[in-house]
Amino acid sequence: KQEVTQIPAALSVPEGENLVLNCSFTDSAIYNLQWFRQDPGKGLTSLLLIQSSQREQTSGRLNASLDKSSGRSTLYIAASQPGDSATYLCAVMGHDMRFGAGTRLTVKP
Amino acid sequence: ETGVTQTPRHLVMGMTNKKSLKCEQHLGHNAMYWYKQSAKKPLELMFVYNFKEQTENNSVPSRFSPECPNSSHLFLHLHTLQPEDSALYLCASSQRGLAENNEQFFGPGTRLTVL
Repeated sequence: KQEVTQIPAALSVPEGENLVLNCSFTDSAIYNLQWFRQDPGKGLTSLLLIQSSQREQTSGRLNASLDKSSGRSTLYIAASQPGDSATYLCAVMGHDMRFGAGTRLTVKP
Repeated sequence: ETGVTQTPRHLVMGMTNKKSLKCEQHLGHNAMYWYKQSAKKPLELMFVYNFKEQTENNSVPSRFSPECPNSSHLFLHLHTLQPEDSALYLCASSQRGLAENNEQFFGPGTRLTVL
């Protein structure tokens, strides 16, 4: 059974810092890994999708990497802004769809 | 707003009520999903429909009954729920079911409270 872990559970940084969020999974037989952000009480917004054959994806200030053999993904956020404050979720799609518990990010002005 | 809409956005119901949640996607996708998000727990996949056929049912109690009349609409029928069923229910869609290169898009969710 796939298990997905996100570290840290919460992170608070001053505006402008670069930061890394971590996601690990136990079963490397995956199709994709997807990163989302969720604002309080809202749905999920897709940020990046990495296929199992890819190593990384970039969108604006976001860069996600995938190391399937070690069961790890990272989401790098450059030059963080207060508007980046949200919960970030990673999800692994294989024979099932499993989410991590998320990292709650606060970017202070 | 995304191309996935959900109604109602908020619902309060008693344990003896029957209600339905509705999801509609305007993205031309063929797969739709129901998820449950409880406080302090990761999202849980409940049901997957691919081309209107149910392909996943993750041991969900029978008091939750899904219906997918076509690839654009998905319902979750609720009856005799328990207070612990209170949660945010999220709908998602993708081009196809659990498969390679398959980005999921989520609706805003229905906040359900069972009294």
